[in-house]
Amino acid sequence: DTGVSQNPRHKITKRGQNVTFRCDPISEHNRLYWYRQTLGQGPEFLTYFQNEAQLEKSRLLSDRFSAERPKGSFSTLEIQRTEQGDSAMYLCASSLGAESSTDTQYFGPGTRLTVL
Amino acid sequence: AQKITQTQPGMFVQEKEAVTLDCTYDTSDPSYGLFWYKQPSSGEMIFLIYQGSYDQQNATEGRYSLNFQKARKSANLVISASQLGDSAMYFCAMREAWMDSSYKLIFGSGTRLLVRP
Repeated sequence: DTGVSQNPRHKITKRGQNVTFRCDPISEHNRLYWYRQTLGQGPEFLTYFQNEAQLEKSRLLSDRFSAERPKGSFSTLEIQRTEQGDSAMYLCASSLGAESSTDTQYFGPGTRLTVL
Repeated sequence: AQKITQTQPGMFVQEKEAVTLDCTYDTSDPSYGLFWYKQPSSGEMIFLIYQGSYDQQNATEGRYSLNFQKARKSANLVISASQLGDSAMYFCAMREAWMDSSYKLIFGSGTRLLVRP
C-alpha cells in the first residue's frame, strides 16, 4: 500500500496528557498537510510543510500544538496538555508539490482522538 | 462569510439513478481550484474530481462529473448510475491564491448521501 498512512488510528487519553500522532506521506510527495475534523463538519486546515519547512500555520494551531517534519518525510503532530475540545479526527494529507493548480491532496485514514 | 456552502445536509437516491450534490463558493481570487472528496464511514477522504477556475470544460472522472458554473460560483457534483457503495459523506473544497503559495483546502460542511437499493 503506497497511500498516506497514519498512526495510531485511535487514541483515547485523559485530559492533561500529551499525545503524538504520526503521518507517513506518499513517497516523493513534497507537501504534507494536517487537518482537524470535528463531528458533522468538514476538515479544517491546521498546518502544512514543504519538505521539512513548516510554511503555514492556522490560528487553530494553539501553543499546545506542535508539528514537525524533521527530514522531509514523515511528520508528527503533538498536542500537549490535551483538553476535551481537542477530541476530533486528525487528518494528514500529502501532495506532489507541483506548482500547477492540479496539485491534489491525498488523505490518510486519520487518527481519531478522544479526550476524557 | 463561508467560503464553501453545501446546502444539502442529507440526500437520498435510488440505486442506478443520477444525483446532484450542490456546492457554491465565494472567492475574489481569479485563480482557484475546486475539489470533491468522498468520506465513507471508515473516515478516509477519497479524492474524486478537480476543476480549475480557468478550465473551459466541465471535469469528468468515470461516473463523476462536475457541473461548473463560474458566473454563479457553483460547482455541483453529479454522480451517474448510483451504486450502494456511493453511500458516504461528500465534501466540496476550494484552494485559492496558490500563486501566493497558500495551498490549504477550505472545505464545506458536507452532504451525506444514502443510496437506496
